[in-house]
Amino acid sequence: DQQVKQNSPSLSVQEGRISILNCDYTNSMFDYFLWYKKYPAEGPTFLISISSIKDKNEDGRFTVFLNKSAKHLSLHIVPSQPGDSAVYFCAALSSGTGKLIFGQGTTLQVKP
Amino acid sequence: EADIYQTPRYLVIGTGKKITLECSQTMGHDKMYWYQQDPGMELHLIHYSYGVNSTEKGDLSSESTVSRIRTEHFPLTLESARPSHTSQYLCASRGTGNNQPQHFGDGTRLSIL
Repeated sequence: DQQVKQNSPSLSVQEGRISILNCDYTNSMFDYFLWYKKYPAEGPTFLISISSIKDKNEDGRFTVFLNKSAKHLSLHIVPSQPGDSAVYFCAALSSGTGKLIFGQGTTLQVKP
Repeated sequence: EADIYQTPRYLVIGTGKKITLECSQTMGHDKMYWYQQDPGMELHLIHYSYGVNSTEKGDLSSESTVSRIRTEHFPLTLESARPSHTSQYLCASRGTGNNQPQHFGDGTRLSIL
């Protein structure tokens, strides 16, 4: 039973446009959500996070939105750049267990 | 930015060999983790530690073992490697306090022939 799902395996976007990556979760005990970016042959790099008490967190070109009632979060990248091309993982943390649960990842390709 | 190092980066080795994957961090983090990831799949937690002499099994069953004798060092060992152990192994650490992200090393890509 997958508790964190990224239903789009891949996304292709033109440079300068907005990239929207989506993530759904099933466990209402999750209270902290993170996005990681991963290049081939490297480990995941922490990108941005959001606490369940917020519905939006912004850091430069990256914004994460959280809709708790829908158990859905999304990562917006605007404007998208070719260097953003990577695999993006959504992850959720339950403070009770202290464990991170990851989605399967979405491969983003930003075309010049 | 956390400093966390994994060696080797790549390892191709024959069946039956004993393997140790190294992971070290210089941030003094108490919490450390090992994940296994196959291409196109999510990261699965196989081991974690909340401090020296503390180790726990993760959500995905693994034939590997870990030890935590020093805060900075969290090696993973496979006593007898098999082709089914072929995967990428990622180590992470995390500081104390609520809502701290885990920081990852670059991983070891392991291939068992």
